[in-house]
Amino acid sequence: DIQMTQSPSTLSASVGDRVTITCRASQSIGFWLAWYQQKPGKAPKFLIYKASTLESGVPSRFSGSGSGTEFTLTISSLQPDDFATYYCQQYDSYPFTFGPGTKVDIK
Amino acid sequence: EVQLLESGGGLVQPGGSLRLSCAASGFTFTNYAMSWVRQAPRKGLEWVSAITGSGGDTYYTDSVKGRFTISRDNSKNMLYLQMSSLRAEDTAFYYCAKDEGSWGQGTLVTVSS
Repeated sequence: DIQMTQSPSTLSASVGDRVTITCRASQSIGFWLAWYQQKPGKAPKFLIYKASTLESGVPSRFSGSGSGTEFTLTISSLQPDDFATYYCQQYDSYPFTFGPGTKVDIK
Repeated sequence: EVQLLESGGGLVQPGGSLRLSCAASGFTFTNYAMSWVRQAPRKGLEWVSAITGSGGDTYYTDSVKGRFTISRDNSKNMLYLQMSSLRAEDTAFYYCAKDEGSWGQGTLVTVSS
């Protein structure tokens, strides 16, 4: 199975900060990576697919990059609505696997 | 607008069975693979199972193989997860997910005596 890791596990930031989360795969997954945002008590929200394609309706301050084994999610200017936990997921091969999550909280 | 609505969760005793359903709308259902993903209380996300658009191929995480069965009815735009021999560690919110797309709001399965 492909193992996914994320760093950092927790990130403290302020409104307006540029935030970057890294996701690494234990083997190459090409571009087959998705990012999700989850707030407490809510279902995950789909943000990005194929590593860098923004889902319709997702604000342009979110961007994704990377390929192979290393990927990043960047929020260019953190907004109050962005404080949440972010997960990456590989869907290159079954079983699909998720990273452990990165919690973005208020500094 | 894509909508996915799960149902069928509840409290079940260890060793029991439950069938989850997911009603899909807003997209051409048969064109998309679908998955079930779960999240135990205060834990991360765990992919459980997937099925191709035609229903011809299915996939499972090791911990549910032989106990869970995923299926779909493309004539009704419905996705199912039949769960049997349930264990305490199966307790979680179960989400229906569209391939490269939206998730439902989830349904809670609690396995407890």
